[in-house]
Order: sequence, then structure tokens, then C-alpha cells
Amino acid sequence: AQKITQTQPGMFVQEKEAVTLDCTYDTSDQSYGLFWYKQPSSGEMIFLIYQGSYDEQNATEGRYSLNFQKARKSANLVISASQLGDSAMYFCAMREGLTGGGNKLTFGTGTQLKVEL
Amino acid sequence: DTEVTQTPKHLVMGMTNKKSLKCEQHMGHRAMYWYKQKAKKPPELMFVYSYEKLSINESVPSRFSPECPNSSLLNLHLHALQPEDSALYLCASSQVFPSGRASGVDTQYFGPGTRLTVL
Repeated sequence: AQKITQTQPGMFVQEKEAVTLDCTYDTSDQSYGLFWYKQPSSGEMIFLIYQGSYDEQNATEGRYSLNFQKARKSANLVISASQLGDSAMYFCAMREGLTGGGNKLTFGTGTQLKVEL
Repeated sequence: DTEVTQTPKHLVMGMTNKKSLKCEQHMGHRAMYWYKQKAKKPPELMFVYSYEKLSINESVPSRFSPECPNSSLLNLHLHALQPEDSALYLCASSQVFPSGRASGVDTQYFGPGTRLTVL
């Protein structure tokens, strides 16, 4: 069974600073995928970044980067130059392929990030 | 901007009402999903449709009835709900990628959600 652990229920960061949100995972699969989603108070889950277990380089998407350490089973999200609009809940998730098609996401409990002036 | 739309945005219903939630995607995806999310909790998967066929039902009570009329549409029919069913209901869609080597090809994209209140 897959498991995702996010140990930071809440985080604060000053505007324009960088922040790291922690995510550790557990799986017996050799091939797996990890995702980060952002959920503002409006409710929509916004896909941010993906890291595959066989990807040789850490994923980056604009101000988002993923610090992937396979041996430590961690996939931390780094947000650079924080903005007020980054204030939201952030979920780490792991993908499991389904035999019938599609996939199943196992989510962590989330980290509430607040960006301050 | 999301290409997964959900209607209505908000819904208030009584326990004897029948209502439906609607989800539409225009990304050519062939897998669609319903999730239920309580406040400050992660989303919980309810149903998965692949090529318009129900492939996963996560032991959801029968008062929730999904329907996938075509590859772009996903409905969730609600009947005789309980107050504890009040939650944010999220729809998502993805490409279908064969099981095996993981890929970001089948990333799930979510709609804005429907906030449901059952009185």
C-alpha cells in the first residue's frame, strides 16, 4: 500500500522568501509518480508539478521545484520568491495505476501555507 | 484556467430532495473521477470512470449514483442524502495511460468543485 506523509500542518513565510514543504512517501513499487497540488480557499485543486521515479532530474515549473531524494523517499516542494497568492493548502500525492484505466491518487494530509507581508 | 467545469458551484438540499452535480471536460480525457472532500482534509476518491465505464467504486453509499453519458460529461445523482454528506465535491479528468511505468501523462486535472450542504 502507498502512503504519503506531510508533517507540517501549517507554515508561514515572508513575501519574496523561499519556502520548502515536506513530503515523504512509502511504496513497494519500482515505478511511481509524485504530484503536488495547490488548493486555495476557493476549493479548486490546481496541479503544480510532477516527478516520476525514473526521472533523472528534479522537476521544475516556474517558481516551483521538487527536491526529489529517492533514497530518503522524500519529494519536497520548494516555492521560490513567495507571493501573497501562494497562500493555500498544498497536497502531496502519489499515483497508482488502475487495471481498468485511469489512476488513483493517495494524498497526504496537506500543509496550510500562509504568506505574510 | 481550468478546462474542467462543474455546476452548480453551491447546492443546498434537504434530505428528501433529488439533485444532480454535473462535470464537463474539454481536454479529450477518457478517465473521469469524483472526489468528496471534508474541510481541512484531503480529497477522498469516490468513483472512477474509464472509457465511459465505471471502473472503481470506493464503497460509496447507493444514495450517490454516478453516470457518464459520454466521454466529456460526468454526473453525480444525489438522493436521500444525510447531513454528514455535506462537503466539497470535486470532479477530475485525466488521460488513460497503461499501468506500468509511471508517467505524468495521466495527471489528474480538477474542476472548481461544488459545495454541497444537506439540511
